[in-house]
Amino acid sequence: ETGVTQTPRHLVMGMTNKKSLKCEQHLGHNAMYWYKQSAKKPLELMFVYNFKEQTENNSVPSRFSPECPNSSHLFLHLHTLQPEDSALYLCASSQEVRANTGELFFGEGSRLTVL
Amino acid sequence: GENVEQHPSTLSVQEGDSAVIKCTYSDSASNYFPWYKQELGKRPQLIIDIRSNVGEKKDQRIAVTLNKTAKHFSLHITETQPEDSAVYFCAASNGQNFVFGPGTRLSVLP
Repeated sequence: ETGVTQTPRHLVMGMTNKKSLKCEQHLGHNAMYWYKQSAKKPLELMFVYNFKEQTENNSVPSRFSPECPNSSHLFLHLHTLQPEDSALYLCASSQEVRANTGELFFGEGSRLTVL
Repeated sequence: GENVEQHPSTLSVQEGDSAVIKCTYSDSASNYFPWYKQELGKRPQLIIDIRSNVGEKKDQRIAVTLNKTAKHFSLHITETQPEDSAVYFCAASNGQNFVFGPGTRLSVLP
């Protein structure tokens, strides 16, 4: 097991639904991230948390709401999404938030389909 | 901000041949360049990285070269095998966050 676990692996929701994605890391890391992966596009950084404090929000629409109750858990709350939000959402963690100090450890991702 | 371009977007090679993927970056302050491999339906995983104080790094069949002056770096895979088939992402970091390239889909044909 990789140490970064995401649930659910697949999610289908309507545009009026409210759902949440969950990420848990067992690596003792201090930084956690949400990335969006769409077909034929670079990985897009959405949010960064360092010691459970949000340090970056990359102009993400408010229909995506992150929550980091502690340094091991990260949530992405979803509401009134659009079909173009359909993508693979990847959680990642690293030892430190400074991105040139080491490896990003990714979860398997949550495949989201918005109908 | 940083912009990372990656070429080619798709690459097919015969098993046993070499594969080369190239990336360019725009921010001269970037000093860390990792490469991630993502197999179909799997998570991206780090396969090799290089820092700006080094020009080349090798790990078995995989090597990465960096040209700071030209702001480009490349991934070289020798003696390719079917299990090398995946999407490869380069990234550049100046310490703030990673900026990923769009990815290269490598297919190794038996």
